[in-house]
Amino acid sequence: QKEVEQDPGPLSVPEGAIVSLNCTYSNSAFQYFMWYRQYSRKGPELLMYTYSSGNKEDGRFTAQVDKSSKYISLFIRDSQPSDSATYLCAMGDNFNKFYFGSGTKLNVKP
Amino acid sequence: GAVVSQHPSRVICKSGTSVKIECRSLDFQATTMFWYRQFPKQSLMLMATSNEGSKATYEQGVEKDKFLINHASLTLSTLTVTSAHPEDSSFYICSARVPTGNTEAFFGQGTRLTVV
Repeated sequence: QKEVEQDPGPLSVPEGAIVSLNCTYSNSAFQYFMWYRQYSRKGPELLMYTYSSGNKEDGRFTAQVDKSSKYISLFIRDSQPSDSATYLCAMGDNFNKFYFGSGTKLNVKP
Repeated sequence: GAVVSQHPSRVICKSGTSVKIECRSLDFQATTMFWYRQFPKQSLMLMATSNEGSKATYEQGVEKDKFLINHASLTLSTLTVTSAHPEDSSFYICSARVPTGNTEAFFGQGTRLTVV
């Protein structure tokens, strides 16, 4: 069983839609959770960082962590074509090693 | 956020040669940097953790004699792929985190290595 599971997509939505991206994990010790955006042939760019459970909001992005269900989500409101990218979740129990999901490819159509 | 610069962004080399990839933290000192490898449509896989002033820690299955890591200073780590083969072709990405407290990691732009 993989440490982190993420639906690879692709996920195609119209501009302005609310996007929901999710990851599940198996290690209950994980307490640091991150979402990265990766454009083609580029390095990942940090979007959101959350410690332990709860919600965090930054502009159009909201990250949720449900440790009881071992489930994390990233919501994108009012999605834009520029949001089209691959979104990676990452997590760990310490900052010396992160486990990444395989990434979900998102396409926002104008 | 903190800036991590990786160079080169793309390299093509002949089979049997060695390639060096540099990772620099531009606006902070990184005692620890991480090297990842990413195959198409797959997740990032941690190869090794690079520690300034000491030997790198390699993940299981990663050949340390093939992937040489040198963390020469608090702002520079290098990954050298020795005697490269076509199967080493991949996207290599480094990351670093600000050492004060528990913080997220910032990534370089990645290096696309093609071995022909």
